Amino acid sequence: DAGITQSPRHKVTETGTPVTLRCHQTENHRYMYWYRQDPGHGLRLIHYSYGVKDTDKGEVSDGYSVSRSKTEDFLLTLESATSSQTSVYFCAISEGTGGLEKLFFGSGTQLSVL
Amino acid sequence: DQQVKQNSPSLSVQEGRISILNCDYTNSMFDYFLWYKKYPAEGPTFLISISSIKDKNEDGRFTVFLNKSAKHLSLHIVPSQPGDSAVYFCAASAPGGGADGLTFGKGTHLIIQP
Repeated sequence: DAGITQSPRHKVTETGTPVTLRCHQTENHRYMYWYRQDPGHGLRLIHYSYGVKDTDKGEVSDGYSVSRSKTEDFLLTLESATSSQTSVYFCAISEGTGGLEKLFFGSGTQLSVL
Repeated sequence: DQQVKQNSPSLSVQEGRISILNCDYTNSMFDYFLWYKKYPAEGPTFLISISSIKDKNEDGRFTVFLNKSAKHLSLHIVPSQPGDSAVYFCAASAPGGGADGLTFGKGTHLIIQP
């Protein structure tokens, strides 16, 4: 298994509160990603990072921000959680060598916003 | 607009028979295609991939076929086993190594009947 740890694994929060999800990797991979998985939508990209302090938006970035201060850590923040952000969140990594690459996923964080 | 489409939300197959999962794409820039398998409460795991310079790739019981002119790929599992019951995601990336992540379909839930 790729060395990816997501924390927390489960979280219940209230509407309007800030939430931060953490992804930690031990592979020293350059690229890191946050996806969300929802019934009927599959996996959709929220934000990604191509290096320390280098991030960009994905398909569904509204309401989310990210930070990457170290190669190994990629944080996803919901500044003010809404019920529409109830989802399963997956972190993924890839080597970033520029060739044909696959992503390796963490085990996910189940977030419920009440 | 969905660039990767899996039009069958679910598929039921008898154990020992062939499972065929289909995927269509609209973006002609995609040059690398992957299949991921996902069990409940786990992250997606890489199954098999194919680059656009090939039309077939085989790995044990799993074979992926690519028809570029039809913008269609399929995953064949022969013979199907109970442990193959999972959600299967088709994914694609464009040239550049997929630095901005993979684009996923909505998934097909494969159920292997004993």
